[in-house]
Amino acid sequence: AQSVTQPDIHITVSEGASLELRCNYSYGATPYLFWYVQSPGQGLQLLLKYFSGDTLVQGIKGFEAEFKRSQSSFNLRKPSVHWSDAAEYFCAVGPNAGNMLTFGGGTRLMVKP
Amino acid sequence: ETGVTQSPTHLIKTRGQQVTLRCSSQSGHNTVSWYQQALGQGPQFIFQYYREEENGRGNFPPRFSGLQFPNYSSELNVNALELDDSALYLCASSFWQSGQETQYFGPGTRLLVL
Repeated sequence: AQSVTQPDIHITVSEGASLELRCNYSYGATPYLFWYVQSPGQGLQLLLKYFSGDTLVQGIKGFEAEFKRSQSSFNLRKPSVHWSDAAEYFCAVGPNAGNMLTFGGGTRLMVKP
Repeated sequence: ETGVTQSPTHLIKTRGQQVTLRCSSQSGHNTVSWYQQALGQGPQFIFQYYREEENGRGNFPPRFSGLQFPNYSSELNVNALELDDSALYLCASSFWQSGQETQYFGPGTRLLVL
């Protein structure tokens, strides 16, 4: 069975500091991997996705993620966090490009001024 | 703006009642998926429809059912509501573009079961 683990439930960083959100997955085949962001009271917005090729993926809002097959990880990074990045972040895995996703429990990011 | 809309935005029901949630997406979005997101948790896949046929289902009982219509709208129906059905219900539709499938989520319907 597939699963996604986001070990950090809450993370607080100072504005301008770097950020790394962890994601570990378990999947029987080649995974399609995603990071979504959810602001309070809103739906999910896709930040980036990985299917194949270059293991470092660039997304929107200055985010990037690195796929490491040997570690079953797909960590999200941003070099300099802005106050508007405060939100809930979800990692997800699926059998194809966007359907039947399995999500992690999420990481809530808070940004200190 | 994802082009995926859901109605209503909020809903309150009592245990044992039935509820219908609606989703509308853009032309060409042939696949629609529904997810349940309980408070403080990640979304859980309920089921998926492709061209009006269910073609994937998560670990949800049969009292969760759906429909997809030719006009790219869809419904999620839940019978015999239970307190644990209180959650944000998300609809997502996807389409193929430039050799890739892209999925867009709606803003969700928040259901409270009393």
